Amino acid sequence: DAGITQSPRYKITETGRQVTLMCHQTWSHSYMFWYRQDLGHGLRLIYYSAAADITDKGEVPDGYVVSRSKTENFPLTLESATRSQTSVYFCASSEGYNEQYFGPGTRLTVT
Amino acid sequence: DAKTTQPPSMDCAEGRAANLPCNHSTISGNEYVYWYRQIHSQGPQYIIHGLKNNETNEMASLIITEDRKSSTLILPHATLRDTAVYYCIVRPYGGATNKLIFGTGTLLAVQP
Repeated sequence: DAGITQSPRYKITETGRQVTLMCHQTWSHSYMFWYRQDLGHGLRLIYYSAAADITDKGEVPDGYVVSRSKTENFPLTLESATRSQTSVYFCASSEGYNEQYFGPGTRLTVT
Repeated sequence: DAKTTQPPSMDCAEGRAANLPCNHSTISGNEYVYWYRQIHSQGPQYIIHGLKNNETNEMASLIITEDRKSSTLILPHATLRDTAVYYCIVRPYGGATNKLIFGTGTLLAVQP
């Protein structure tokens, strides 16, 4: 189906484990983004990518790694998960500076 | 930090117009006003954006004051499904970065 999808939708993992959240968009949008949303902080940008093989840090990049080998995919990896990374993660995409379209989110719990 | 100020919450009766205000007194000449909303547990959804002229689409209208220091999002006939947090964001179109800085938004509760 066309649009932006995220997987998994829910994930429980243990402290210290590596976790990868997937994001896929079918529009061939140039830009892709990762946000996290926590109570009391709203949505905060983690990383973004202007095109394949081009990524840049957002407001809260520490503890996260991204890659973008293909335009349509933008995985987010937590190399060693911590409890403070328990959050809801949203992926988004946009064509240039146009409006961003958000995915349904991944709810991650780190125990 | 967010460059906008919004009331934390508002109520609206179903079928009536919902008028959501936003102050952005430090807006720059090249910055647009964007509105997004987030229905509970879903990803944010784009609504509308504008620079200085009033804008209207199938979802809403955006009224920007002449001095551009404030704006109002209007949902002409609010329904229960419009209950959501509404975010007003100012952002340049173009430039070095393509970021949205979300504030805390306004929780609009549409009452039956």
